Amino acid sequence: KAGVTQTPRYLIKTRGQQVTLSCSPISGHRSVSWYQQTPGQGLQFLFEYFSETQRNKGNFPGRFSGRQFSNSRSEMNVSTLELGDSALYLCASSPTRGGQDTQYFGPGTRLTVL
Amino acid sequence: AQTVTQSQPEMSVQEAETVTLSCTYDTSENNYYLFWYKQPPSRQMILVIRQEAYKQQNATENRFSVNFQKAAKSFSLKISDSQLGDTAMYFCAFTPMYNNAGNMLTFGGGTRLMVKP
Repeated sequence: KAGVTQTPRYLIKTRGQQVTLSCSPISGHRSVSWYQQTPGQGLQFLFEYFSETQRNKGNFPGRFSGRQFSNSRSEMNVSTLELGDSALYLCASSPTRGGQDTQYFGPGTRLTVL
Repeated sequence: AQTVTQSQPEMSVQEAETVTLSCTYDTSENNYYLFWYKQPPSRQMILVIRQEAYKQQNATENRFSVNFQKAAKSFSLKISDSQLGDTAMYFCAFTPMYNNAGNMLTFGGGTRLMVKP
């Protein structure tokens, strides 16, 4: 089976722009979670989608949003980019929502905001 | 709210030796899962080991084992016979076991482990 894929791998944007990141989960996985990784804040949960519905959301401003499609692929969007949004954005997929299933992470998208 | 603390930002170990990474957590939940994830320099996060809080037996996966002390809220990772490929960032993570928690992980700050030849 193919692993979790994220596109693009690298992205450079300027302040005020918006960006969309994509995550394709492992085939058959219905849960997709997103995390932001920065040197200062570490790994922080953004949101989780399951069956096209947002199930949980972390403590991030409304500029961060996401969605999930019927094929379980997910996108996250960040509007009005700020310098502090520069980070590695990781997505993870698993078959179900329970913690008993292993979450498989993608390679991440490195976002740089200038 | 849950918190996860890893008090060792960096550690090093000689190849073939044993090293223990520390993790403590704070929660009011009684049932939960604990994890150790490894993030090599290539950045792909990989699950190393998982522990269910209701199990008293410590989890083991080949050279990796944990010491889970529920009362002390401690969850350390022992790596035996360290190999160069073990060089990575290691993250301790927690998720409650109730259904609405889903796959929301709370991570510690990480421990950078270097295995020296």
